[in-house]
Amino acid sequence: NAGVTQTPKFQVLKTGQSMTLQCAQDMNHNSMYWYRQDPGMGLRLIYYSASEGTTDKGEVPNGYNVSRLNKREFSLRLESAAPSQTSVYFCASSENREVGEQFFGPGTRLTVL
Amino acid sequence: AQTVTQSQPEMSVQEAETVTLSCTYDTSESNYYLFWYKQPPSRQMILVIRQEAYKQQNATENRFSVNFQKAAKSFSLKISDSQLGDTAMYFCAFMNRWGAGSYQLTFGKGTKLSVIP
Repeated sequence: NAGVTQTPKFQVLKTGQSMTLQCAQDMNHNSMYWYRQDPGMGLRLIYYSASEGTTDKGEVPNGYNVSRLNKREFSLRLESAAPSQTSVYFCASSENREVGEQFFGPGTRLTVL
Repeated sequence: AQTVTQSQPEMSVQEAETVTLSCTYDTSESNYYLFWYKQPPSRQMILVIRQEAYKQQNATENRFSVNFQKAAKSFSLKISDSQLGDTAMYFCAFMNRWGAGSYQLTFGKGTKLSVIP
């Protein structure tokens, strides 16, 4: 089992460029999440998906879109990147159990110039 | 909205000694879950320990234990016999139900722990 995988690991963009961060999990989890982590901060939820075909906003959704392509994959898209989106992005997944642990991917470090 | 506060931005401990990391939270809910996550320099988020709020007994995982004080809304992490590999950022997190079927984690800002040889 690879767990939660993310691509790419690093990315540099210019302001206004677009890109998609990919996430996949092989644990048959229903729920998937996207977080961002800024210096000196904990992780903050951007979007989540409780099941295939559903997505909902988290704490900081502005400037992002997501797609739950199937049960395994959950992508995060930046349509027009801004320097304020420079961050480390984490994808996570969990079962829909009350004490279900969230399993995290290795993160993507994104820099927007 | 839930908030999680970690009042110690940085801490250090001598190898083999014991250290306690503090965490307080604010919520109006009665049923929730608390976690400590470790983030080493590799950036990987690793679950250290979890506590269900309805359980009075404090959780323990090998060298890691918690002191859960529900009335005081306090959830501290004790690391015994500290090892060099414990050097990492430690995040306290609160979990509650968010929408239909998902559970949101709210994180504190973290405590950077350094274990000194």
